[in-house]
Amino acid sequence: DGGITQSPKYLFRKEGQNVTLSCEQNLNHDAMYWYRQDPGQGLRLIYYSQIVNDFQKGDIAEGYSVSREKKESFPLTVTSAQKNPTAFYLCASSPKTADQYTDTQYFGPGTRLTVL
Amino acid sequence: SQQGEEDPQALSIQEGENATMNCSYKTSINNLQWYRQNSGRGLVHLILIRSNEREKHSGRLRVTLDTSKKSSSLLITASRAADTASYFCATDEEGGSEKLVFGKGTKLTVNP
Repeated sequence: DGGITQSPKYLFRKEGQNVTLSCEQNLNHDAMYWYRQDPGQGLRLIYYSQIVNDFQKGDIAEGYSVSREKKESFPLTVTSAQKNPTAFYLCASSPKTADQYTDTQYFGPGTRLTVL
Repeated sequence: SQQGEEDPQALSIQEGENATMNCSYKTSINNLQWYRQNSGRGLVHLILIRSNEREKHSGRLRVTLDTSKKSSSLLITASRAADTASYFCATDEEGGSEKLVFGKGTKLTVNP
């Protein structure tokens, strides 16, 4: 059963705490992405990774960190430096394309983070 | 930065009617994609149209692309209550981009 999973579905954090959101895929995709979605808004890119042990900042990387030690896994840590972390977080993966075209992204079910 | 902007922001129709959503973008692109999101869920890819294509069909979906106007439209024919969702366009950038840029979406409600 192939797919992309995120855990937990809901996460509550006290102010000042770091939390890590899990993202795992068994699609053998090279690229993985983290997005943030606020109510009524589109997706904003936090970080992305094209290959293992390499990742790049997206548009809103401040207050977040990632690692890509394995092809299947791309965890996101929301640090205490992120001033407004309450949001819906989506992870996605994509196969690496041979040409310059961007391919389809496959999304996980999301994690809803709430800061108490 | 958000490249794609959908219009309208919200759309409410009756079952059986057609729904049309539009997307405008700013820079030249390689391709444009449409995604669907049910409330509180992840996005699901619907259709991809390349910059050298003008129209594409998939079931009840029809997508058009006008690169001269930097715009695209998504038409859902004979809508069903199950089509109720938010719809997003996403674009990359010409010349090769590893990233997609998503618009804010159109929230479609199909009333039974």
